[in-house]
Amino acid sequence: QVQLVQSGAEVKKPGASVRVSCKAFGYTFTSFLMNWVRQAPGQRPEWMGWINAANGNTKYSEKFQGRVTISRDTSASTAYMELSSLRSEDTAVYYCARLVYNILTGYYFDYWGQGALVTVSS
Amino acid sequence: EIVLTQSPDTLSLSAGERATLSCRASQSGGSGFLAWYQQKLGQAPRLLIYGTSNRATGIPDRFSGSGSGTDFTLTISRLEPEDFAVYYCQQYGDSPTFGPGTKLDIK
Repeated sequence: QVQLVQSGAEVKKPGASVRVSCKAFGYTFTSFLMNWVRQAPGQRPEWMGWINAANGNTKYSEKFQGRVTISRDTSASTAYMELSSLRSEDTAVYYCARLVYNILTGYYFDYWGQGALVTVSS
Repeated sequence: EIVLTQSPDTLSLSAGERATLSCRASQSGGSGFLAWYQQKLGQAPRLLIYGTSNRATGIPDRFSGSGSGTDFTLTISRLEPEDFAVYYCQQYGDSPTFGPGTKLDIK
């Protein structure tokens, strides 16, 4: 069965960087776009960007452009999200999520990782 | 950029009642389809409905989605205790976007 397993919680100081991993099981990793979505406490999910796992092409939200880097290792079926210049407002749960597109049903996230809490505090 | 709004913010109902949740898009277009997710405290969002009206794998048939254009609805025909959670809608314009959520709590 499909599973996305993320790395664990992190505590970082302001100005530092964080890298979260997401290992995929149960499907062909290169057949889907892998996305990163974050959710601050009490807030709605917020899309950060994606990577085309087949060719490595990326698309980022304008909000995070320049601070986020999404990469992947196809041999390990793993995607990574690195966020730099962390500030307290970046404290959130970071999820990876598989995006499905079908011309008849549009875009949606069918599987999600368990989430990784990133806390930014001095 | 498509902006999604949801109403009500909070819906207080009892088990066995019918729940109607709304999601409105600021403009039509994009993919034109809507997805709904359920999120319980401390858990990742769970896909309920995709393509506006298709139930995801394993989702009970008491959940249904409808709508078109800018107005969409999630209906839970008869609430079970496990249905009390936060519900988000999601659409794709030039990127994925989520609504602010409706909290469904026990009356």
